[in-house]
Amino acid sequence: GQNIDQPTEMTATEGAIVQINCTYQTSGFNGLFWYQQHAGEAPTFLSYNVLDGLEEKGRFSSFLSRSKGYSYLLLKELQMKDSASYLCAVRDSNYQLIWGAGTKLIIKP
Amino acid sequence: IAGITQAPTSQILAAGRRMTLRCTQDMRHNAMYWYRQDLGLGLRLIHYSNTAGTTGKGEVPDGYSVSRANTDDFPLTLASAVPSQTSVYFCASSLGSNSPLHFGNGTRLTVT
Repeated sequence: GQNIDQPTEMTATEGAIVQINCTYQTSGFNGLFWYQQHAGEAPTFLSYNVLDGLEEKGRFSSFLSRSKGYSYLLLKELQMKDSASYLCAVRDSNYQLIWGAGTKLIIKP
Repeated sequence: IAGITQAPTSQILAAGRRMTLRCTQDMRHNAMYWYRQDLGLGLRLIHYSNTAGTTGKGEVPDGYSVSRANTDDFPLTLASAVPSQTSVYFCASSLGSNSPLHFGNGTRLTVT
C-alpha cells in the first residue's frame, strides 16, 4: 500500500530552526509537496520538489532524496505565526496525491 | 479576489437528509477535487474532475456524488447523510495534474 509518514507533533522555540521529516512509500513518484495549515483554515502551498536536492524559499527550505523516499521541511528563524500543521503529500504514478496526516508544530516563546 | 469559494461554511444535518456542498472557482483551473479531513488522518480524496464534463472516484467515494457541468463549479452531494460523514470538507483546484492545489476554506459538516 501507499504510505506517508510524518511525526505527529513537534515543539520548537521562537527564533530557532526546526526540521520536519517525511518518508514515503508510493507506487511511483511525480513530485512532493509541502503545505501549511493553520488551525481551522485551509492548507496553503509551501513548496514543491521533483528532483533531488534542496529548494530554498525565504525562511523555508525543502529537501528531497528520491532514492531514500525522504523529504524534510526546514524552517529557520521561527516565528509564533509558524505554529501550524505541516502536510507532506506525494504524487504517485497516476498523478494522485497521497497525503500524510500532518505534523503539528508548536512554537514556544 | 480570485480563488475558491465553498458554501456553506458549516452545517448541522440530520442523518438521512440530502445535502449539497457548493464549490466555485474563478481561476479557470482544469482540475477540481473534493477532500475530507478527519483528526489524525491525512486528507482523503472523495471525487475529482480533471476537466469539465468528466469525474472520477477517489479513495473514499461511497455515499458521495459529484458533477462538473462547467469549469467553475464542482458540487458535492450526500444523498443520505450518515454520522460517519461528519468531517471537514475541502474543495481544491489545480491548473494541471502536476500543479499545486489551491484550497477553499472548507465546510464543517456535522451529521447527527
